[in-house]
Amino acid sequence: QLQLQESGPGLVKPSETLSLTCTVSGGSISSSSYYWGWIRQPPGKGLEWIGSIYYSGSTYYNPSLKSRVTISVDTSKNQFSLKLSSVTAADTAVYYCARRVKTAGIYYYYYYMDVWGKGTTVTVSS
Amino acid sequence: DIQMTQSPSSLSASVGDRVTITCRASQSISSYLNWYQQKPGKAPKLLIYAASSLQSGVPSRFSGSGSGTDFTLTISSLQPEDFATYYCQQSYSTSSSFGQGTKVEIK
Repeated sequence: QLQLQESGPGLVKPSETLSLTCTVSGGSISSSSYYWGWIRQPPGKGLEWIGSIYYSGSTYYNPSLKSRVTISVDTSKNQFSLKLSSVTAADTAVYYCARRVKTAGIYYYYYYMDVWGKGTTVTVSS
Repeated sequence: DIQMTQSPSSLSASVGDRVTITCRASQSISSYLNWYQQKPGKAPKLLIYAASSLQSGVPSRFSGSGSGTDFTLTISSLQPEDFATYYCQQSYSTSSSFGQGTKVEIK
């Protein structure tokens, strides 16, 4: 059974770079049917899509975060990672990683996130 | 960017009630719309994808409909375990986005 696990520091100082890793177990990150994504949720608020990556390295980012976000993949370790630079208190959130399924529709591909990690809380504070 | 707007933001309902949540996109997204359920302290759970396809293992009391800009999630008979927050998400553009959520509370 596929499982995803987020890991990384729970506390980051303002202006520094947030770095998280998602480890995929029970399946290969190199499957052509999947992308791998990051989503976050500030305390008491809704979900925000950060971005996603294909095993080949192709990335898609939220335009509002694009200048600060880098998502990378390490197929040898079955992991993908998130880096968010120049963080502020507004970046305090629970960060989730998820598998993004790519499935063929009539004219286009459908995408949806079917397996999620449990989430990791990151607080930005000095 | 495609904006997703859900209504209502919250609702109170009783066990056995039929519940309907609406999601509206700022532009046509065909049927590229997903629904998730989230309980406190837990990761979201996929309920519906492609507007109306039920994810494996999800009870049949959940259903989705709509296309273009207007979509609906319906719970035909609300159960105690259904009290949660529900989110819609568009996957039409390469940059995905979520609605603000609808909290379903016990009446």
